[in-house]
Amino acid sequence: SAVISQKPSRDICQRGTSLTIQCQVDSQVTMMFWYRQQPGQSLTLIATANQGSEATYESGFVIDKFPISRPNLTFSTLTVSNMSPEDSSIYLCSVEGLGSYEQYFGPGTRLTVT
Amino acid sequence: AQKITQTQPGMFVQEKEAVTLDCTYDTSDPSYGLFWYKQPSSGEMIFLIYQGSYDQQNATEGRYSLNFQKARKSANLVISASQLGDSAMYFCAMRETLNSNYQLIWGAGTKLIIKP
Repeated sequence: SAVISQKPSRDICQRGTSLTIQCQVDSQVTMMFWYRQQPGQSLTLIATANQGSEATYESGFVIDKFPISRPNLTFSTLTVSNMSPEDSSIYLCSVEGLGSYEQYFGPGTRLTVT
Repeated sequence: AQKITQTQPGMFVQEKEAVTLDCTYDTSDPSYGLFWYKQPSSGEMIFLIYQGSYDQQNATEGRYSLNFQKARKSANLVISASQLGDSAMYFCAMRETLNSNYQLIWGAGTKLIIKP
């Protein structure tokens, strides 16, 4: 299994500001995934990040709002830009296990926008 | 149409009893995988069990087993001898092989509360 860390674990931000979330994996992985989980809801995929190429965004998510970087095979960042209270969620990164099917998740970043 | 349906928003179960969490799915892909994850109040997503569509036997992992009924398109999670620490949200998810970006499709989740 992969060990994934995320920074920050939680933050309280003001409306209109931006926050960058970091995701670090202890092994090289091809694909990393960024999810949003709004309060009381299931997970929604924001985008898939491959190293060396542009992230692929799901319907309803755009690069200007959620820019993603993937500079190498063990690291990725997600920025939540121009935040509003509706962006208050848990943001999770995940990777697919090497030689296995399951996706492993980081501990998540709890974001509150006031 | 919903691809993953979890019909139980919440469940209360007495400690030490077995519990079954329901999950039905919809796909036309002959090759797919089904997953169950646990999310405690801390927010982390914990992988529990995986079932491939071509697997002949139901998956088991310790106290967790997956009751896979392919014809009915159901993949229920069974937790034996429930413990207080099993209280959490449980999510069923599916990945279709033809979906080349490895995206997981998620159910709405079931909140399980174990009573002492």
